[in-house]
Amino acid sequence: DGGITQSPKYLFRKEGQNVTLSCEQNLNHDAMYWYRQDPGQGLRLIYYSQIVNDFQKGDIAEGYSVSREKKESFPLTVTSAQKNPTAFYLCASSIINGNNYGYTFGSGTRLTVV
Amino acid sequence: QQQVKQSPQSLIVQKGGISIINCAYENTAFDYFPWYQQFPGKGPALLIAIRPDVSEKKEGRFTISFNKSAKQFSLHIMDSQPGDSATYFCAASGETSGSRLTFGEGTQLTVNP
Repeated sequence: DGGITQSPKYLFRKEGQNVTLSCEQNLNHDAMYWYRQDPGQGLRLIYYSQIVNDFQKGDIAEGYSVSREKKESFPLTVTSAQKNPTAFYLCASSIINGNNYGYTFGSGTRLTVV
Repeated sequence: QQQVKQSPQSLIVQKGGISIINCAYENTAFDYFPWYQQFPGKGPALLIAIRPDVSEKKEGRFTISFNKSAKQFSLHIMDSQPGDSATYFCAASGETSGSRLTFGEGTQLTVNP
């Protein structure tokens, strides 16, 4: 089945540690996105990429980094510079040509600082 | 100008009632307006979407109403069921934003049995 796979489902990070969240899609979508979701605050865009080896900052990129070495993969690293990383992280993908920009989301990774 | 304002923040409806969630946008270049449904601990899923060339789109119990002149669109859930209890997000995109969707803040819907 085509879709987006995020792993792990739950992740615990110690203070000062970098952690990487995985996002893989087999939908042949060109664009991929990372969102952060906090209770009552909706979806906030961290980074997005529309083509391999290129990505743009979203609204809350500070303390995060990404790479897009393959079309199928868009990992997100939460660095120690992110002071409040506890949140639900969502990866999404979409096509960028045509008339349908609907996103397909993964099931999310819940990151907790311990 | 890129914002999408969504209301209400939370909504409680009795089973069988009509749930109505509203969104307003500023950017007149937006031409794609989807709604997403999210259950706790899951990613949002596309529910229904509309383009400005029509004023209404219906899929089962879910209807989008679109008012281009007022730059508003709304989601109506007819005969609301407890299984509809979820968070709903409206969104918008257009040629100027490329593939990037601008999301509303979300509405937490609770349907009481």
